[in-house]
Amino acid sequence: QKEVEQNSGPLSVPEGAIASLNCTYSDRGSQSFFWYRQYSGKSPELIMFIYSNGDKEDGRFTAQLNKASQYVSLLIRDSQPSDSATYLCAVQRNSGAGSYQLTFGKGTKLSVIP
Amino acid sequence: GAGVSQSPSNKVTEKGKDVELRCDPISGHTALYWYRQSLGQGLEFLIYFQGNSAPDKSGLPSDRFSAERTGGSVSTLTIQRTQQEDSAVYLCASSLTYNQPQHFGDGTRLSIL
Repeated sequence: QKEVEQNSGPLSVPEGAIASLNCTYSDRGSQSFFWYRQYSGKSPELIMFIYSNGDKEDGRFTAQLNKASQYVSLLIRDSQPSDSATYLCAVQRNSGAGSYQLTFGKGTKLSVIP
Repeated sequence: GAGVSQSPSNKVTEKGKDVELRCDPISGHTALYWYRQSLGQGLEFLIYFQGNSAPDKSGLPSDRFSAERTGGSVSTLTIQRTQQEDSAVYLCASSLTYNQPQHFGDGTRLSIL
C-alpha cells in the first residue's frame, strides 16, 4: 500500500513569514515528487517538482527532498494571503507496477494571515 | 486553449443513468490520466493512457467504469449505471510523456441524485 502523509492543518502563518509544509511517503520506489496548490473549488495547479535529493528553488518556493528519510518539504518565503490554499504532495514511480500514476497526500491547508 | 480542457464542467444525473466525461489534453502531450476527488478525500488515480493504450487501469473502481482515448488525443471516461458513491470531481491530467509533470484540467463535478 503506497501512502503519502501530510499534516492536514490548518497551518496558519502571518503575512511575510515562511510557511513550511511537510510530506512523508512509504514507497521507496518513488522517484519523482510534486507539489500542487489547490484553491477551494478549483483543480490542482503544479507549483514545484523535484527528482534529486537536496533543494530546488523557484522564486519564493523551495522544494526539499531527502530520499533516505522518505521526506519532501515545501517552503514558501514571504507568504502572501494569496498563498492561502491546500497544498498537495504527490509522488510517482517511474518503473514497475503502478508506474506513472501520482499518489497524493490529502493535503495541508495553509492560511496566511494579513 | 493551451491547457487541459474538460467537459461538461458540471453534470447532474439520476442514479442508474450512464454518463460520459470528456478530456482534451494539452496539444502534444502523449500521456493522459484520470483521477477523481471525492468530498473531503484525496485524489484517487483511475486510469493512465500512453497514446491510445491504457497500460494501467488499476484504479478503475468497478467494471461500470471504462475509458478510451482516440487519435492520441481526446479521452472519454464512461460510467455506466451510476451510483450515488460515484459523485465526485473527475479530473483529467496530461503530461508531455510518462515521466513528466502532470497538468490538470478544471474537472467535471458529477452529482448523482
